[in-house]
Amino acid sequence: LAKTTQPISMDSYEGQEVNITCSHNNIATNDYITWYQQFPSQGPRFIIQGYKTKVTNEVASLFIPADRKSSTLSLPRVSLSDTAVYYCLPKEYNQGGKLIFGQGTELSVKP
Amino acid sequence: SQTIHQWPATLVQPVGSPLSLECTVEGTSNPNLYWYRQAAGRGLQLLFYSVGIGQISSEVPQNLSASRPQDRQFILSSKKLLLSDSGFYLCAWSVQMYTGELFFGEGSRLTVL
Repeated sequence: LAKTTQPISMDSYEGQEVNITCSHNNIATNDYITWYQQFPSQGPRFIIQGYKTKVTNEVASLFIPADRKSSTLSLPRVSLSDTAVYYCLPKEYNQGGKLIFGQGTELSVKP
Repeated sequence: SQTIHQWPATLVQPVGSPLSLECTVEGTSNPNLYWYRQAAGRGLQLLFYSVGIGQISSEVPQNLSASRPQDRQFILSSKKLLLSDSGFYLCAWSVQMYTGELFFGEGSRLTVL
């Protein structure tokens, strides 16, 4: 399983765009990149998934360069309710089994 | 639609007492099931995962055990709790042919005194 590295914490202000980068240098060919959001005392919630280039949904965008050794989660115009911990997980597509969460990035959005 | 429930939501137990946390999934068949623990802040530790009835894989050697007596039921147990077992326990499921999304339960907060 690919090991991931993310910043431990980030600060932002309401209305700003936030970019959280995850490094996964030894990602395997079949691994997808998945991002989760976790609020205190709740389980993580799936945000977005991608393989390469750019993926966008109603919540966020995910940018993955051609070498796929990193990925960037982009949150447009954050609000106070986006304050949470964000995790990236490389995951081999269509394979069951264990999923390992790293330490994540604690995003704090200030007014 | 699929739902996942786990209970109890909160538990305070003395050291050396037994533990049983239950998790059930509804609205799907043959899910992958997982138990995670989150201690004192963030960082989820995978404890057990199961790809089918009676098939349990353990990630961390410790005094906890897991069982899957039915397709959509996952139980976390301990015969004797330790102080270090305190934490936030999360059950999760995914489709058998995993598509990238884990669905988590509401969590069970265990305090061992």
